[in-house]
Parts: sequence; structure tokens; C-alpha cells
Amino acid sequence: VHLVESGGVVVQPGGSLRLSCAASGFRFGDYNMHWVRQPPGKGLEGVSIIRNDGGLTGYADSVKGRFTISRDNSKNSLYLLMNSLRSEDTAFYYCAKDSPNGSIDHWGQGTLVTVSS
Amino acid sequence: VLTQSPLSQPVTLGQSASISCRSSRSLVHSDGNTYLSWLKQRPGQSPRRLIYQVSKRDSGVPDRFSGSGSGTDFTLQISGVEADDVAVYYCVQGVGWPYTFGQGTKLEIK
Repeated sequence: VHLVESGGVVVQPGGSLRLSCAASGFRFGDYNMHWVRQPPGKGLEGVSIIRNDGGLTGYADSVKGRFTISRDNSKNSLYLLMNSLRSEDTAFYYCAKDSPNGSIDHWGQGTLVTVSS
Repeated sequence: VLTQSPLSQPVTLGQSASISCRSSRSLVHSDGNTYLSWLKQRPGQSPRRLIYQVSKRDSGVPDRFSGSGSGTDFTLQISGVEADDVAVYYCVQGVGWPYTFGQGTKLEIK
């Protein structure tokens, strides 16, 4: 299993950004997928989850209405569109693979998003 | 909400460490399984799963690590702590969407 995130940059408050995650080594379309974030030096926060077919999604209250998760199973790719970014969104963003037993079994290396003027 | 304690755990090499994780609601899924797992994160690294469904160890995880509990109260026990165990440990629930995490417990060597 290999998960590679990309798209993390420095962006101004109020700006937008799209993160991508390229997945390989497993049948991508069979698994739910997550975005989890971690502010530097702090703990983990589940940001969003998407069902394997893309038909159901869930969001943390802190990002609801601003972030949109999506996937393209034909390209083995996961995305996170982030709008109206705030300084508190500054974090490492991890792409993570769900397992059938209600846990996350694989993580990417993370991509850093910095929201600053 | 998942509440871990302690948030810092100093331990002597060779001794045991115990980390508690309490949930504000039952983590028993409608399918009858309990979806509570434990992660380990070393500085500068991505998290790694150690235990899932309360007590099932991942491949390659030493049997020094054990998980227990039910319903809302869970424990990660590390026996014979080694230098390689220095990390932050998180519990995570897989019942509600998105998954939520405990605050993390930093295991340090005295």
C-alpha cells in the first residue's frame, strides 16, 4: 500500500486549495478513505471520510461547509478541496486508507498546508 | 469525544506503561464489533496502527503491546518498555464519521 499526498503550499487566509492523494498497491475502489490533519506539534483530527463508491461523505464540524472530499476510482485518487481557509487550518494533511474493521490501517507521509498572510 | 490519560507517561526502561482511553459514547457498532484502535507516532513520522478492534495486534507488533476494554473504557498496556517505544500513542474510534482521536499520550523514558 502506497499513499502519496500532494498540493500543500502556503496560502493566504480566505484562499482555496486542492490536495490530492495518489494510491497504489491495493484495490482503491474497494475501500473508504480519510483525510486526517495534524497541526505542527499537536494531535490528530479526523477531517473527512468518503465511502468507497463516493456516495457518502462525512466531515468534522470544524470544516463542514468549507471542505469537500471526493475521489476518482478510475485514477486511484483522493482529493480534498479546501475553501475559505483560516489560520487554524494550518496542519499536515494525511491521506489514509480505511480497513473493514473500523480503523485506519495505512497512512501517507502527509503534506503541509500553511495558511498565512 | 475520546479522553486519554495520562497525557504524559514517564517510565523506566523495562517497566510497564498503561494508557487509558474513555469514550463519551459506546464504541460498539451495530454489527456487534467494537471499533477502537491504537496508533503509535514517532516524531517526524506518520502514525502507524498497533491494535484494532480493542485487542487485535497488527502484524509485526510485539506481544508486549496489549489492548483491552469494552463499551466506553479501554486500555493500552506496554510491558517491558524499550527505548524504541518512545512515541505518542493515540486511541481512535471507528464508529462515528469521521473517525475521532484521543489527545495523545507521550511516552517518555525517565
